[in-house]
Amino acid sequence: AQSVTQPDIHITVSEGASLELRCNYSYGATPYLFWYVQSPGQGLQLLLKYFSGDTLVQGIKGFEAEFKRSQSSFNLRKPSVHWSDAAEYFCAVGALGGGADGLTFGKGTHLIIQP
Amino acid sequence: DVKVTQSSRYLVKRTGEKVFLECVQDMDHENMFWYRQDPGLGLRLIYFSYDVKMKEKGDIPEGYSVSREKKERFSLILESASTNQTSMYLCASSWSETQYFGPGTRLLVL
Repeated sequence: AQSVTQPDIHITVSEGASLELRCNYSYGATPYLFWYVQSPGQGLQLLLKYFSGDTLVQGIKGFEAEFKRSQSSFNLRKPSVHWSDAAEYFCAVGALGGGADGLTFGKGTHLIIQP
Repeated sequence: DVKVTQSSRYLVKRTGEKVFLECVQDMDHENMFWYRQDPGLGLRLIYFSYDVKMKEKGDIPEGYSVSREKKERFSLILESASTNQTSMYLCASSWSETQYFGPGTRLLVL
């Protein structure tokens, strides 16, 4: 069975500092990987996704993520955070060719931005 | 832009009531999903549907049912609401592996 681990429940970063959110997955086949962001009281917005090809993927809002198969990781990065980045971030894994199935989500990382 | 809408943002119901949560998508997507989100547990899949009148159980289907009579609409039904079903409910749709989410319905069962 597939699983996703986000080791950090909360992360606090100063505005303007760099950010890295960790995600490790477990899946036997080729995974599809996603990062979503959820602002308070809102639904989930897709930040970026990895299906194949270049292992460094660019997303919206200045985010990027790197797929490392050897480490089973898909960490999310941003060079300089803004106060508006404060939110909950979810990593998710899906099955190749399994578009009809649900995604498996990590438990989320709550990002706090200090002024 | 994909648009997924949910009928209510907030809902308060009493124990034992039958509750309907509606979800509509406007992109002709084949697949639709219902998740619940709880603090510390992330999102958990309740049911999904890959076609009209088709449904599949997710990880936590107990106490829920679903209906998909039209392609654009996917309903989640709580036959007899209980307090442990107080949660945030998120609907999503997709035509491939990428899922698009609605704004969520926060349900409180008293």
